Amino acid sequence: EVQLVESGGGLVQPGRSLRLSCAASGFTFDDYAMHWVRQAPGKGLEWVSGISWNSGSIGYADSVKGRFTISRDNAKNSLYLQMNSLRAEDTALYYCAKDMGSGVIRWDAFDIWGQGTMVTVSS
Amino acid sequence: QSALTQPASVSGSPGQSITISCTGTSSDVGSYNLVSWYQQHPGKAPKLMIYEVSKRPSGVSNRFSGSKSGNTASLTISGLQAEDEADYYCCSYAGSSTHVVFGGGTKLTVL
Repeated sequence: EVQLVESGGGLVQPGRSLRLSCAASGFTFDDYAMHWVRQAPGKGLEWVSGISWNSGSIGYADSVKGRFTISRDNAKNSLYLQMNSLRAEDTALYYCAKDMGSGVIRWDAFDIWGQGTMVTVSS
Repeated sequence: QSALTQPASVSGSPGQSITISCTGTSSDVGSYNLVSWYQQHPGKAPKLMIYEVSKRPSGVSNRFSGSKSGNTASLTISGLQAEDEADYYCCSYAGSSTHVVFGGGTKLTVL
């Protein structure tokens, strides 16, 4: 079964850091680009960051650029999001999502999603 | 404010057809045939319904179809069913700097 399982969310104070993880199974992880997409409570989807299969191509939303870092470990079938200098507006459910393209990062279509991990930034 | 503009809500009766619009700009929807649509039921993860404007992933009902004209993409659901009641989001590639933009979402109510 193809599966993505996020972890690492929680309550954190403004200005602090948090690292999210996403464990992938059921597909050849290192064939595909991966993304983080977030959803604030009661709000819509917002793309956060994406990374190609070999980490050679990485992109960030302007809202997180310079504060968040995406990475992956293909040997561990895992995706990560290091979040620094957290703000209240970063409060959201963070989804890990698989890019539909094999070998190249498409950016446009996410065919497998995890159930998300909640990040709450509050003092 | 989202980069792509969708109506906040649409509704239809069972068996009817509805269309959800998604308006972008010449920098995203208008420049690339890389528009996707996602269905999200309450408390659930999004599900890919349409990619590359009009293609359906395996397993998605052919009642769902997509199209694009200029800067506006559209999702049409025909033969509405109660299970189609959900939030729908459009998404587009937006170039090598912005990368990805989502619409604000549309709540579909099946009357």
